[in-house]
Amino acid sequence: NAGVTQTPKFRVLKTGQSMTLLCAQDMNHEYMYWYRQDPGMGLRLIHYSVGEGTTAKGEVPDGYNVSRLKKQNFLLGLESAAPSQTSVYFCASSYASLSRPQHFGDGTRLSIL
Amino acid sequence: KQEVTQIPAALSVPEGENLVLNCSFTDSAIYNLQWFRQDPGKGLTSLLLIQSSQREQTSGRLNASLDKSSGRSTLYIAASQPGDSATYLCAVCRATNKLIFGTGTLLAVQP
Repeated sequence: NAGVTQTPKFRVLKTGQSMTLLCAQDMNHEYMYWYRQDPGMGLRLIHYSVGEGTTAKGEVPDGYNVSRLKKQNFLLGLESAAPSQTSVYFCASSYASLSRPQHFGDGTRLSIL
Repeated sequence: KQEVTQIPAALSVPEGENLVLNCSFTDSAIYNLQWFRQDPGKGLTSLLLIQSSQREQTSGRLNASLDKSSGRSTLYIAASQPGDSATYLCAVCRATNKLIFGTGTLLAVQP
């Protein structure tokens, strides 16, 4: 089982460039999430989705957009990258149940110069 | 605003020792509390999930407790092994499974 797969694993961007991070899950999970992890701040929720075609803002949504056109995929976009967006980005997915844990990908390490 | 704190930030113990990691949260209106493990350069692996109505959960050498009224959870690791070395994260769950994470405890188990 692949679980949650994130692409790319590493990327270096210049300020102002745009890019899309892809997350794919093969567990038929309803919910999907994007987090960022920064030193000393833990993981913070950027956006999430409770189903195909739906998205919602998390704790730190500014500067990011998301789309969930297919149930198994959740895309995170940076329209105009800024150095403050240098971080490790994690995608997660879960069933629509508060008794089931989230499953995480291995992360995308993004540096913006 | 919900805040989650983990103490200590780092811990080093000799192999075989029993240890306790602490997690505290400010708002007791949670659906569940989850403990994760994170290895360097990797994603998070779920260890234990405690429902808000439960007091504890066990998996092998791991035991997690939850006291909602005091806003505290502990993760007990018995007979620690070098392979237990990792960062341990706790997270409280709100609606639609949204998680608020602590900053983690970095555990090193010395052989």
